[in-house]
Amino acid sequence: DTGVSQDPRHKITKRGQNVTFRCDPISEHNRLYWYRQTLGQGPEFLTYFQNEAQLEKSRLLSDRFSAERPKGSFSTLEIQRTEQGDSAMYLCASSFGRGDEKLFFGSGTQLSVL
Amino acid sequence: GQQVMQIPQYQHVQEGEDFTTYCNSSTTLSNIQWYKQRPGGHPVFLIQLVKSGEVKKQKRLTFQFGEAKKNSSLHITATQTTDVGTYFCAGRTRANAGKSTFGDGTTLTVKP
Repeated sequence: DTGVSQDPRHKITKRGQNVTFRCDPISEHNRLYWYRQTLGQGPEFLTYFQNEAQLEKSRLLSDRFSAERPKGSFSTLEIQRTEQGDSAMYLCASSFGRGDEKLFFGSGTQLSVL
Repeated sequence: GQQVMQIPQYQHVQEGEDFTTYCNSSTTLSNIQWYKQRPGGHPVFLIQLVKSGEVKKQKRLTFQFGEAKKNSSLHITATQTTDVGTYFCAGRTRANAGKSTFGDGTTLTVKP
């Protein structure tokens, strides 16, 4: 399978705990995106990378959120001191870039904060 | 900031009827994309429109980009049960070329 893969598929955590999600994009894609989606809403932009450089981060994102893409391949999204409002589906997507911006989404990580 | 709005939020049709969803942006877009998300699934790319007034067709689906590049529509002719899902538009601007802003989607249900 050469699509975008995300791990884990589901995460249940207690409020105040830290969580980390992983995304492996399509190998030849140099852009990687993180989105968040709640029921009945469209995907909400969080951040994106061009290779290893984080080029934009949503102003909606608090300092509790951080993302990395250390070698321009896989990426991690960490949420510190989780809150109940962080419960959502976290979607990763990748694109080829260089004018081809079709987004290929992974299956997402469903986070539930109790 | 940029906002993308879609109407209607829900549409219920009888199989064989047509369906249209509309997308409006608060700012001029450089391009617009459409995605389909099946229940329990993730968004899947359908098409990208770039030019003012552009019209593209994919079998029973017709996509349009407005002349002012601020609105778009997706029309499905003779819906089938396989068309069920949520259709999202996503717009990009020149100022934020790397960021797609999604609408909240139109959820289509088809009664056989």
